[in-house]
Amino acid sequence: QKEVEQDPGPLSVPEGAIVSLNCTYSNSAFQYFMWYRQYSRKGPELLMYTYSSGNKEDGRFTAQVDKSSKYISLFIRDSQPSDSATYLCASLGNYKLSFGAGTTVTVRA
Amino acid sequence: NAGVMQNPRHLVRRRGQEARLRCSPMKGHSHVYWYRQLPEEGLKFMVYLQKENIIDESGMPKERFSAEFPKEGPSILRIQQVVRGDSAAYFCASSLTDRAYSGNTIYFGEGSWLTVV
Repeated sequence: QKEVEQDPGPLSVPEGAIVSLNCTYSNSAFQYFMWYRQYSRKGPELLMYTYSSGNKEDGRFTAQVDKSSKYISLFIRDSQPSDSATYLCASLGNYKLSFGAGTTVTVRA
Repeated sequence: NAGVMQNPRHLVRRRGQEARLRCSPMKGHSHVYWYRQLPEEGLKFMVYLQKENIIDESGMPKERFSAEFPKEGPSILRIQQVVRGDSAAYFCASSLTDRAYSGNTIYFGEGSWLTVV
């Protein structure tokens, strides 16, 4: 069983729609959860990180963690074509990141 | 403040040759990690190094792969006798410490794309 599972998509939405991305994880010891954005042929760029359960908001982005169900979510409001990328969820166990496979998102103008 | 610097960005090697990938961490960071991204797969941890020490190489293939982070200079990921299956993107990351706590984020470089022909 993979430590972090993520639906690879792809996901295509019209501009202005809400993008909803989800992951599940298996290791109860995970406390920190990250979302990275990766454009084609580029490195992962840290978008958000959260600790334990709860919500965190940053501009158009909201990250949620539900430790009881081991569920991680990222919401992008008012999506823009520039949000088209692959989104990677990750869980941090001390120094080692466990990544999901990534979801490719296309926002249509 | 310069980010994590990797070079070369693109590397083409024939089967059997050696590939050397270099990584300079962010200024002030002494913890370096290498991850590999195979086509259609997620990022996978390979190795974690501090200056002059390999801390965890549990994700490294047992043969042909080695990594170092010398006292002076960049971290090096070395792949000997490359095979087609080594074709992938190799990412270096760095962090301030090795402990997960709020604010200790891990930053990635732009990657080195290795193609074995």
